[in-house]
Amino acid sequence: EVQLVESGGGLVQPGGSLRLSCAASGFTFSSYSMNWVRQAPGKGLEWVSYISSSSSTIYYADSVKGRFTISRDNAKNSLYLQMNSLRAEDTAVYYCARDRGDYIWETFDYWGQGTLVTVSS
Amino acid sequence: AIWMTQSPSLLSASTGDRVTISCRMSQGISSYLAWYQQKPGKAPELLIYAASTLQSGVPSRFSGSGSGTDFTLTISCLQSEDFATYYCQQYYSFPRTFGQGTKLEIK
Repeated sequence: EVQLVESGGGLVQPGGSLRLSCAASGFTFSSYSMNWVRQAPGKGLEWVSYISSSSSTIYYADSVKGRFTISRDNAKNSLYLQMNSLRAEDTAVYYCARDRGDYIWETFDYWGQGTLVTVSS
Repeated sequence: AIWMTQSPSLLSASTGDRVTISCRMSQGISSYLAWYQQKPGKAPELLIYAASTLQSGVPSRFSGSGSGTDFTLTISCLQSEDFATYYCQQYYSFPRTFGQGTKLEIK
C-alpha cells in the first residue's frame, strides 16, 4: 500500500524557516517524481514544487521561487521542502503528492494527509 | 501560466441526480487534465486523468470528457458519498494549476 506521511509543520514567525519531510513507503520511491501542493485555510489547491526521480529536474511556483527548496533522498525514501523567509500567505496545509510516473506530463495519484504550517507572530 | 475557469463554484443537487462540472483552459492542453475529489479535512483523491481515464477503484458513475480547452466531469447518479469539493487540474505545463473548485452540496 502506498503511504506518504508528512511531518515538520508548526507555528513559525514571519521571516522564519521550516523544513518539511515526507516519508514514502509501499512503492519504489526512486522511480517516481514527487511534488508539494498546499492549501490555505478555506481555499483551493496550489501546486508548490516538483522534483523528478533523480532530482535532475526541479520546478517551483513563482510564489515560492527563491525562498523554498525541494529535495529528496532516495536512499531514505524521503522528500523534503526547506522553507525560508516565510510569510503569512504561506500559511497552509502542505501535502506531499506522488506523480503517476517519472515524466513531466503526469499528475498526482497519491497524497499524504498533510501537515499544517502557520506563519504568524 | 495556464489559467483555468471551473464552473459552477457551488452546485446543489439530490441523491440520484446527474451533474456536470466544467473546466475551461486559457490555452489548449491536449488531454493533460485531471479531476480530484476532496472531502473536508482530507487530502484530495484522483478520480480521472488524461481527461477521461478513470483511476483504479473509482466508481464508473464518474466520467470525464473533453480535450484542448474545454473539459467536463459528469457524475451520473449521485450517491451520498459524492457530496464533496471537486477540482480540475492541468499538467500540460509548469506551473501545474488547479481550478477554483466546485462544492457539490445536498439540495
